[in-house]
Amino acid sequence: QKEVEQNSGPLSVPEGAIASLNCTYSDRGSQSFFWYRQYSGKSPELIMSIYSNGDKEDGRFTAQLNKASQYVSLLIRDSQPSDSATYLCAVIPGGTSYGKLTFGQGTILTVHP
Amino acid sequence: DAGVTQSPTHLIKTRGQHVTLRCSPISGHKSVSWYQQVLGQGPQFIFQYYEKEERGRGNFPDRFSARQFPNYSSELNVNALLLGDSALYLCASSQTSGGATTQYFGPGTRLLVL
Repeated sequence: QKEVEQNSGPLSVPEGAIASLNCTYSDRGSQSFFWYRQYSGKSPELIMSIYSNGDKEDGRFTAQLNKASQYVSLLIRDSQPSDSATYLCAVIPGGTSYGKLTFGQGTILTVHP
Repeated sequence: DAGVTQSPTHLIKTRGQHVTLRCSPISGHKSVSWYQQVLGQGPQFIFQYYEKEERGRGNFPDRFSARQFPNYSSELNVNALLLGDSALYLCASSQTSGGATTQYFGPGTRLLVL
């Protein structure tokens, strides 16, 4: 079992729709969770961080964390073509250095006009 | 404020050669982490350095080494390059505030091994 798994893509949604990206992790001791966006040929850019169970909203983005189910998700409301990118879920596993992120394989999102 | 900087941006080497990649963290950040990202995959953790000491090492061979300098900048060295070392090498600097840690990535160095 991979440490961090993301829903298989690619994911295609129409402009204005809600895009839902999902991620599961294997280490129950994990405490810190992140979503990064990566445009083709660029480096990852932090979108959201979440540390407690529940929802965290920032503009059009909502991160959801359920530690009991070892599940974290990212919702993008009113999707725009500029949201088309690879979305990376990252976790800091329990008992490891805070500088070690474990990433999923990424989900490619395409928002079509 | 300047973000994380990396040099060079692109590099072409041949098998067996050695390469040194450089990273300068965001001002005030004392921790630097290195990642390797091959095409189609998420980044894989290589090293973390904090205050010039190694704080974590990923599952990479001893051909990979790193160090951090007094000004918190860092170098990643890879010896005896293999074709499979071709990847985007990312440096991230971290800060911890209120128990929460955030990593910010530099633009990366794209390495091609021929």
